[in-house]
Amino acid sequence: GAVVSQHPSWVICKSGTSVKIECRSLDFQATTMFWYRQFPKQSLMLMATSNEGSKATYEQGVEKDKFLINHASLTLSTLTVTSAHPEDSSFYICSASPKSEGASGYTFGSGTRLTVV
Amino acid sequence: AQSVTQLGSHVSVSEGALVLLRCNYSSSVPPYLFWYVQYPNQGLQLLLKYTTGATLVKGINGFEAEFKKSETSFHLTKPSAHMSDAAEYFCAVSDLGQGGKLIFGQGTELSVKP
Repeated sequence: GAVVSQHPSWVICKSGTSVKIECRSLDFQATTMFWYRQFPKQSLMLMATSNEGSKATYEQGVEKDKFLINHASLTLSTLTVTSAHPEDSSFYICSASPKSEGASGYTFGSGTRLTVV
Repeated sequence: AQSVTQLGSHVSVSEGALVLLRCNYSSSVPPYLFWYVQYPNQGLQLLLKYTTGATLVKGINGFEAEFKKSETSFHLTKPSAHMSDAAEYFCAVSDLGQGGKLIFGQGTELSVKP
């Protein structure tokens, strides 16, 4: 089946620095990828839709200048948390679906635990 | 807009007992519905999904769910709980009008007592 790889699985960074998280579709091409954020004991909150070759679409309330998304190829999307602060500490998860499966075939990455100190 | 409501943020069952996790959805179009399981500090694993066709859907690990349009429900069941079923479960609906992004319920934490 479709596999989505997310890297790193966990990262600790200092306040004010930037962190990049990668999301790769290993065996399929993904024109669209989604980025979610999850706080402890809470559900997944969609942050943005990453579109290959074009600008990402951000959900209401998500700061696009803080959470930079780049989808430069059909197999890679990156989320960069800029000038990170402790309140950005969270679990970030990406998902993608093979074009052949459309909206019924989303696979999730294993997630990235970000801790800002 | 589509939405998902999971009744009960926490469900506790004894090992071997029936598991029932409730999910109701709101959608103006025929929905795609999903159940995912999440173990601590991991991503989401698909248990099962309904797109079209048979309304009783069988998934992995002995789970199944039934799509009931009249009740706008998609409850998840398993006849006999196992200790390894203890995890967080999420029901989701695919917003086909918004590029297929998933709308998640609040999640239900399943505990299994020995």
